[in-house]
Amino acid sequence: AQTVTQSQPEMSVQEAETVTLSCTYDTSESDYYLFWYKQPPSRQMILVIRQEAYKQQNATENRFSVNFQKAAKSFSLKISDSQLGDAAMYFCAYRRPNEKLTFGTGTRLTIIP
Amino acid sequence: GAVVSQHPSRVICKSGTSVKIECRSLDFQATTMFWYRQFPKQSLMLMATSNEGSKATYEQGVEKDKFLINHASLTLSTLTVTSAHPEDSSFYICSARIQADEQYFGPGTRLTVT
Repeated sequence: AQTVTQSQPEMSVQEAETVTLSCTYDTSESDYYLFWYKQPPSRQMILVIRQEAYKQQNATENRFSVNFQKAAKSFSLKISDSQLGDAAMYFCAYRRPNEKLTFGTGTRLTIIP
Repeated sequence: GAVVSQHPSRVICKSGTSVKIECRSLDFQATTMFWYRQFPKQSLMLMATSNEGSKATYEQGVEKDKFLINHASLTLSTLTVTSAHPEDSSFYICSARIQADEQYFGPGTRLTVT
């Protein structure tokens, strides 16, 4: 079964600094998607960024970017110029096409003013 | 982006009663809907997957007679917690997906059983 591991239960970063959240996954498949979701205190799950495994180029969404290392099965999220609104739980997730999402255990990110 | 709504956002019920939670995809037709449960400070745990017009597929360890899921249309799925007990108190999140597309999450429902 696929597993997603987030080894950092909590992280903190100074406002305006950069922080990287780690995620590793285990799969024998070659076709899959990886996601980072944000869950703020409102608990609404928000898609931050998505990466298709067949794409070598790392996905980027404004201040959010990923470092996708397919051979190492690593998918880290970099948040640049951290803002107070970035404070949230961040979940890494894996999914095969048309199958269910598998979530990691999450990383709680605190932004220090 | 696509919007998924849940109703109610919060519900309190007495032990032994049943409560229904609705999940609607507002601007798209969802081929598949998912129901998750989330305990405080934990990740989302998938309870079941449902496709319109067919029976839900429950994850191992989830009591299908306790958590009744109905996916009556391409825009509506309901989760009924039957004979609720305090241990059923939790945060329930639904999610809807267009085939081969993204999953969109509802805002969640906080259930408290007294």
